[in-house]
Amino acid sequence: KQEVTQIPAALSVPEGENLVLNCSFTDSAIYNLQWFRQDPGKGLTSLLLIQSSQREQTSGRLNASLDKSSGRSTLYIAASQPGDSATYLCAVILGGSEKLVFGKGTKLTVNP
Amino acid sequence: DTAVSQTPKYLVTQMGNDKSIKCEQNLGHDTMYWYKQDSKKFLKIMFSYNNKELIINETVPNRFSPKSPDKAHLNLHINSLELGDSAVYFCASSYTPGQGGLGAFFGQGTRLTVV
Repeated sequence: KQEVTQIPAALSVPEGENLVLNCSFTDSAIYNLQWFRQDPGKGLTSLLLIQSSQREQTSGRLNASLDKSSGRSTLYIAASQPGDSATYLCAVILGGSEKLVFGKGTKLTVNP
Repeated sequence: DTAVSQTPKYLVTQMGNDKSIKCEQNLGHDTMYWYKQDSKKFLKIMFSYNNKELIINETVPNRFSPKSPDKAHLNLHINSLELGDSAVYFCASSYTPGQGGLGAFFGQGTRLTVV
């Protein structure tokens, strides 16, 4: 059974800091891994998708890496801003499956 | 222009009632999902449909019945609502996993409150 763990559960940083969010998964036979952002009371916004054959993806100040063999992914946020405050969710899709398995998220607060 | 839209956004109803949530996607995806986000904010899959065919049913009570009239729509009907059904329900869509695409896209959620 695939399990996804995100550490830390919550993180508070001052504006301008670079930070790393961690995601680990127990079954390395994944199709892809997707990072989402969820604002309070809102839906999920897709940030980055990493296919199983890829090592990393970048979008603006965000960089996500994937190490399938060790079952880990990291989301790097450069020069954090108060607008980055949200819950960040990691999800994986297992090979042969039709579902995303989510971690419990990291709640990020960036203080001005 | 909304990619995945679900209605209603909020739903407050009494125990024992029957209610439906509708979902539509205009992305041309062939797979649609229903997820439940509980009070602890954990997202868990309920159902998955691929080209109108039920693929996943994750031990959801049979009071919950999904219906997919076509691959762009996946509705969720709930009978005899219980207090424990209170949650946020998210609809999502994607291309068949492993066949490319940009991953899964989610609707804005339906906050169901059973009183």
